[in-house]
Amino acid sequence: NAGVTQTPKFQVLKTGQSMTLQCAQDMNHEYMSWYRQDPGMGLRLIHYSVGAGITDQGEVPNGYNVSRSTTEDFPLRLLSAAPSQTSVYFCASSYSFGGWNSPLHFGNGTRLTVT
Amino acid sequence: QQQVKQSPQSLIVQKGGISIINCAYENTAFDYFPWYQQFPGKGPALLIAIRPDVSEKKEGRFTISFNKSAKQFSLHIMDSQPGDSATYFCAAVGNAGNMLTFGGGTRLMVKP
Repeated sequence: NAGVTQTPKFQVLKTGQSMTLQCAQDMNHEYMSWYRQDPGMGLRLIHYSVGAGITDQGEVPNGYNVSRSTTEDFPLRLLSAAPSQTSVYFCASSYSFGGWNSPLHFGNGTRLTVT
Repeated sequence: QQQVKQSPQSLIVQKGGISIINCAYENTAFDYFPWYQQFPGKGPALLIAIRPDVSEKKEGRFTISFNKSAKQFSLHIMDSQPGDSATYFCAAVGNAGNMLTFGGGTRLMVKP
């Protein structure tokens, strides 16, 4: 099993450009989520999904869109990149919302720089 | 406003020493408290977790201490090794269907 696969690993964008960060999991997990990691801020939840066709906003959703058409895939779209979106992005999947017997399985991240 | 506050942000410990990372929370609905470990270039991975019905959980050199009345919990790494050098995140979640909330992270360096 590959687990959670994120692509690309690195990306540089100019302000105003759009792009999609890809995330795929092969563990048949219903829950998938996107976090951004910034120094001193920990991991902040952007969007999450509890199953195909169902998404919801997290703590910092502005400037990002998600969709969940299949159980396996959960892409994150940046509509118009801003320097404040420079960060490391992590996708995670789990059986449930990260509680007992439902640990989050993370991908290895996408490092995004917006100039 | 972080719901889970973690300290210190960085920590340097000599090999063989004890590493201690502290976390505090406000939301009394939280009922599960995991710690995640992250190595450079990798995503975080679950290290150890505790529920509030116990005050301590130990797995090898890693121990979580939990103080429900103070709404605080901490990670102790005994006999710290250079291989323990990583970023550690505390986290909390309740049963209301919200996703896991993470603390700000602690970057641990264990010097040989």
